[in-house]
Amino acid sequence: DGGITQSPKYLFRKEGQNVTLSCEQNLNHDAMYWYRQDPGQGLRLIYYSQIVNDFQKGDIAEGYSVSREKKESFPLTVTSAQKNPTAFYLCASRVRGMNTEAFFGQGTRLTVV
Amino acid sequence: DQQVKQNSPSLSVQEGRISILNCDYTNSMFDYFLWYKKYPAEGPTFLISISSIKDKNEDGRFTVFLNKSAKHLSLHIVPSQPGDSAVYFCAASVYSGAGSYQLTFGKGTKLSVIP
Repeated sequence: DGGITQSPKYLFRKEGQNVTLSCEQNLNHDAMYWYRQDPGQGLRLIYYSQIVNDFQKGDIAEGYSVSREKKESFPLTVTSAQKNPTAFYLCASRVRGMNTEAFFGQGTRLTVV
Repeated sequence: DQQVKQNSPSLSVQEGRISILNCDYTNSMFDYFLWYKKYPAEGPTFLISISSIKDKNEDGRFTVFLNKSAKHLSLHIVPSQPGDSAVYFCAASVYSGAGSYQLTFGKGTKLSVIP
């Protein structure tokens, strides 16, 4: 089955620690995205990547970093510089270069303790 | 500045009746619009989309209407079913250069269908 897999589903982090969220897709999509959802805030774009070894900042990139070494994988690191990291994180992928729907993973709930 | 607005945070509808969810946008460069459905602690799932060259698209119980002059779109669900209870997100797509299209989401409307 083709799809997007995010892991883990739940993640707890101590303050001051970096943590990496995994996102893998087997849809053969070039474009991949990371969004953050907070209550009443909708989905806000953190980072996106259109091709391997290239990525751009979204609207709320501060305190986050990404890499895109493989087409299938787009991990997100939440660094200690992120002031309010507790949120629901969603990864998505999409065909590049055309208007189509984006497909989402099941999300990772990150809680800072 | 919010470019995609869903002004109703919640909506309650009786089972079997019509649900109408609304969305307004400000960026006239948006040329493709989508609706997603989301359950708690899950990723959004795609429902239906519409290109800016159309004013209506229908898929089963779901119909999306686009009014470009008013920068407004709506999702109609007929008849509404209890399983439709979820948060619905409106999204708009725009070309941002170098083969890249960006999706901007509204804040969502929580639909409750009452049996």
